[in-house]
Amino acid sequence: DAGVIQSPRHEVTEMGQEVTLRCKPISGHDYLFWYRQTMMRGLELLIYFNNNVPIDDSGMPEDRFSAKMPNASFSTLKIQPSEPRDSAVYFCASSRGRGPEAFFGQGTRLTVV
Amino acid sequence: AQTVTQSQPEMSVQEAETVTLSCTYDTSESNYYLFWYKQPPSRQMILVIRQEAYKQQNATENRFSVNFQKAAKSFSLKISDSQLGDTAMYFCAFPTGGTSYGKLTFGQGTILTVHP
Repeated sequence: DAGVIQSPRHEVTEMGQEVTLRCKPISGHDYLFWYRQTMMRGLELLIYFNNNVPIDDSGMPEDRFSAKMPNASFSTLKIQPSEPRDSAVYFCASSRGRGPEAFFGQGTRLTVV
Repeated sequence: AQTVTQSQPEMSVQEAETVTLSCTYDTSESNYYLFWYKQPPSRQMILVIRQEAYKQQNATENRFSVNFQKAAKSFSLKISDSQLGDTAMYFCAFPTGGTSYGKLTFGQGTILTVHP
């Protein structure tokens, strides 16, 4: 299996622009997670889906962030408008059933200037 | 709230030696998993080892083993015969409720450097 695939690997954008991060989970996995990694806050869960339905979005920082999962093989995390403090590495992960293991993608490094 | 604490921001070890990374956690649950993830410079998050709380036997994966002390809520990672490729940041992680063990709370991480 190809593993969890994220795109792009790197994204540099200007403040105020819309940014869309993409994730393809491992085939057959029914849970999908979006995490963010920063120096200040470490790794934190933003949102997770089960069978394409958002279950817990309490980690989404504010209304500028939104996530969708239109089908079992694709999810997006959108930031609109982006701000410099959104600069971070964003990880997507997926798991089958309850787990126990979650498999991570290689992450997207976002830089907002 | 469930918390995970790694008290060692950085550690270093000579190649072929043994090193132990510490992790403590707080939970009111009785059955759960604990994980150690490795993040090398490539940024990829890689599962190193996992421990089921109801199992008394400590988990082992090749050169990696854990010392799980349930009563003390301690979960340390021992790396034997350290190799240069072990250089990475290591995270202790704990599932925090919900319907999946993939919903994780991570410790702050320990940067491990293996010197030749």
